[in-house]
Amino acid sequence: DQQVKQNSPSLSVQEGRISILNCDYTNSMFDYFLWYKKYPAEGPTFLISISSIKDKNEDGRFTVFLNKSAKHLSLHIVPSQPGDSAVYFCAASDGENGGSNYKLTFGKGTLLTVNP
Amino acid sequence: DAGITQSPRHKVTETGTPVTLRCHQTENHRYMYWYRQDPGHGLRLIHYSYGVKDTDKGEVSDGYSVSRSKTEDFLLTLESATSSQTSVYFCASGGDGNTEAFFGQGTRLTVV
Repeated sequence: DQQVKQNSPSLSVQEGRISILNCDYTNSMFDYFLWYKKYPAEGPTFLISISSIKDKNEDGRFTVFLNKSAKHLSLHIVPSQPGDSAVYFCAASDGENGGSNYKLTFGKGTLLTVNP
Repeated sequence: DAGITQSPRHKVTETGTPVTLRCHQTENHRYMYWYRQDPGHGLRLIHYSYGVKDTDKGEVSDGYSVSRSKTEDFLLTLESATSSQTSVYFCASGGDGNTEAFFGQGTRLTVV
């Protein structure tokens, strides 16, 4: 049972345009959400996060939106740059056991290609 | 970036042999994790630790064991390697509360 779903395996956009990556989750206990970026042969690197008490978090070109009622979050990158080409993973934390046991559950990832 | 290193970075081993992967972090993080990455599956949690000698299973724990005798070290052992365990393994560490986890560079393991 996949609790974090990224239904688009790949996305291709033109440089300068907006990239929108989507993520859905099923576990209503998730209260913290993160996006990671991964280049080939490297470990994932943290990009941006959002707490369930917020609906938007912005950091430079990156904005994450959270819709709790729909159990949906999205990552917007604007403007997109060729260096943004990577696999993007959505992750969620449930802080189970009263918030004393944190583990991250990841989606399968979306390969973003930004064309010059 | 957090100081987290994995060793070895690459390993080829034979079916049926035991293998131990090492993860070392210098951030005094309470939480440490082992994930595997496979095509079509993303990152799947194998085991994690929430303190010295405190560990728990993730979603794909069969065939793996872990140990954490010190805050900074988290070992992943394949008791008897199988070809299905050929994968890229990532270690991560993170602090208390809702916060990001930092990943190592990965270990590419091939079981022949």
